[in-house]
Amino acid sequence: DAKTTQPTSMDCAEGRAANLPCNHSTISGNEYVYWYRQIHSQGPQYIIHGLKNNETNEMASLIITEDRKSSTLILPHATLRDTAVYYCIVRVNYGGSQGNLIFGKGTKLSVKP
Amino acid sequence: DTEVTQTPKHLVMGMTNKKSLKCEQHMGHRAMYWYKQKAKKPPELMFVYSYEKLSINESVPSRFSPECPNSSLLNLHLHALQPEDSALYLCASSRGGMNTEAFFGQGTRLTVV
Repeated sequence: DAKTTQPTSMDCAEGRAANLPCNHSTISGNEYVYWYRQIHSQGPQYIIHGLKNNETNEMASLIITEDRKSSTLILPHATLRDTAVYYCIVRVNYGGSQGNLIFGKGTKLSVKP
Repeated sequence: DTEVTQTPKHLVMGMTNKKSLKCEQHMGHRAMYWYKQKAKKPPELMFVYSYEKLSINESVPSRFSPECPNSSLLNLHLHALQPEDSALYLCASSRGGMNTEAFFGQGTRLTVV
């Protein structure tokens, strides 16, 4: 089972910041939080990931709470092209060196004009 | 080159057919993945290859047979599929390790008739 909880859907006005929350209260100390998105009928696209510090790249910012039990993905100026399903994933380690991506249900973000 | 290329993009096959899905990456990634995605559902992990060896099989039926001929290629051989196997099949690759992002292909839309 996925180890994250996200709202099923959210709306955001074009040009405004989109703040997508994620709860991961059982996260382990060495597990990373990853965010992906999937635009309709395309493959998932990597957005950002982090361990404990806040992270920012050209697409988004990731804010992780100090206790690491929740995080927020921020799209600073949402556009219509940001309409997608956003997945928050805690990287599961099956005991090997790689961690596998297990997708939960995600949040469907609709950006409206 | 950050592309994962999947062929074909669309495939229609009968229940008695044998077909193969192909996935290729030239990023030097040593972990490759197959996911299955039904409509309006998140991607489900099927197989993981690490350094060309099968490391994870998520209890996938034997009518799906993965193969990793070399570090750049990943195949999924299909035989005697059922209509309920119709789905989007996604391939992904990553460098491996916990702190690395995965890149996804655009998927093969499979219809079993």
